Amino acid sequence: DIQMTQSPSSLSASVGDRVAISCRASQGLGDSLAWFQQKPGQVPKLLIYGASTLQSGVPARFSGSGSGTEFTLTISSLQPEDVATYYCQKYNSVPPWTFGQGTKVEMK
Amino acid sequence: EVILVESGGTVIQPGGSLKLSCAASGFSFRTHDFNWVRQSPGAGLEWISYISNSGRTIYYADSVKGRFTISRDNAGSSLFLQMNSLRVEDTAIYYCTRDRWDDSGDYIPSDHWGPGTLVTVSS
Repeated sequence: DIQMTQSPSSLSASVGDRVAISCRASQGLGDSLAWFQQKPGQVPKLLIYGASTLQSGVPARFSGSGSGTEFTLTISSLQPEDVATYYCQKYNSVPPWTFGQGTKVEMK
Repeated sequence: EVILVESGGTVIQPGGSLKLSCAASGFSFRTHDFNWVRQSPGAGLEWISYISNSGRTIYYADSVKGRFTISRDNAGSSLFLQMNSLRVEDTAIYYCTRDRWDDSGDYIPSDHWGPGTLVTVSS
């Protein structure tokens, strides 16, 4: 099975900072990579699919990049409402559709 | 409005069986693929099962293969998860999620999630 590794596992940043979260796959995925945001006490929410396509309604400060085995979620200017845990998930044609272990984003 | 609502979660003893349901409304249920995703207390997300729109293609995570069975009722707009031989480590919130295709023909995974239902396996 393909393993998904996120880094860092947690980070602390200030309002307005640029934040980047990495997701690495043990084998190539093409662009079959999604990012989810889960705020404390809430249900996960899809942010990005196809590695870089922003889901409808998601603020433009969120962006995704990468393909193959290396992917990045970037928040261009961190806002207080972005405090959450972020997960990547592979969804290529071969299951299981594994999630990364999550990256917890906190405000400094 | 897309609505997914899971039900059936409860406290159950190890070795027991339970069937979860997910009632869908606000969209054409029969044209979508679905998943079950779970989250143990304080832990991350774990994908556990997928079913295609027709029900003909089904996948499971190794952690539940042989014990859990996913199914759907397109006429009744419902998704199910039959859980047998439950273990303490199956304790989690269980979410049903909907997949879809966008206008460009790209696949969108889990664009909608239900609020989840809590299953607690404990003696």
